[in-house]
Amino acid sequence: EAGVVQSPRYKIIEKKQPVAFWCNPISGHNTLYWYLQNLGQGPELLIRYENEEAVDDSQLPKDRFSAERLKGVDSTLKIQPAELGDSAVYLCASSRQGAETQYFGPGTRLLVL
Amino acid sequence: KQEVTQIPAALSVPEGENLVLNCSFTDSAIYNLQWFRQDPGKGLTSLLLIQSSQREQTSGRLNASLDKSSGRSTLYIAASQPGDSATYLCALTQGGSEKLVFGKGTKLTVNP
Repeated sequence: EAGVVQSPRYKIIEKKQPVAFWCNPISGHNTLYWYLQNLGQGPELLIRYENEEAVDDSQLPKDRFSAERLKGVDSTLKIQPAELGDSAVYLCASSRQGAETQYFGPGTRLLVL
Repeated sequence: KQEVTQIPAALSVPEGENLVLNCSFTDSAIYNLQWFRQDPGKGLTSLLLIQSSQREQTSGRLNASLDKSSGRSTLYIAASQPGDSATYLCALTQGGSEKLVFGKGTKLTVNP
């Protein structure tokens, strides 16, 4: 079984530029999560999807961050415009609906210069 | 607000030693608690999940315990190996939410 796939693995951009991350969850997993992990910190939830619906986006900074999950499978997370403080690792995870174990992708490491 | 603390932030031990990683939380009203492993540049791998009604879970050389009343969990690693070197994070969920609240992790180094 293929795991959670994320791309790109690394991204370097200048501040004020837009950036997008892509996530393909494990087949059959209805629930998809985006987490932000700063250096030396644990991951923090940005948004959770149940199929196409964002059921928890309370931690998503909506002034510059947006996310979508068309057709309830793949998801993209976008930042526009990026700021220096957005440099971090962005993790995607998925799980079966109602299941307790989340499976994480390798993450996208973003550096904003 | 739930806060999860992991001490120590880093630990270095010789190969073969038994060790304990600690996790504490401020609100005992949890649904479950998980221990994850994170290797450099990689995502997280779930190691053990303890339901709030359970006291411990075991998998191979790993044993996780949970004491809700004292707000503590421990991860015991027996006969440590260099391959156990990684960052270990504990995370919990609270009733009505699937949101994981993570600690900052303990970076473990097992020296050959």
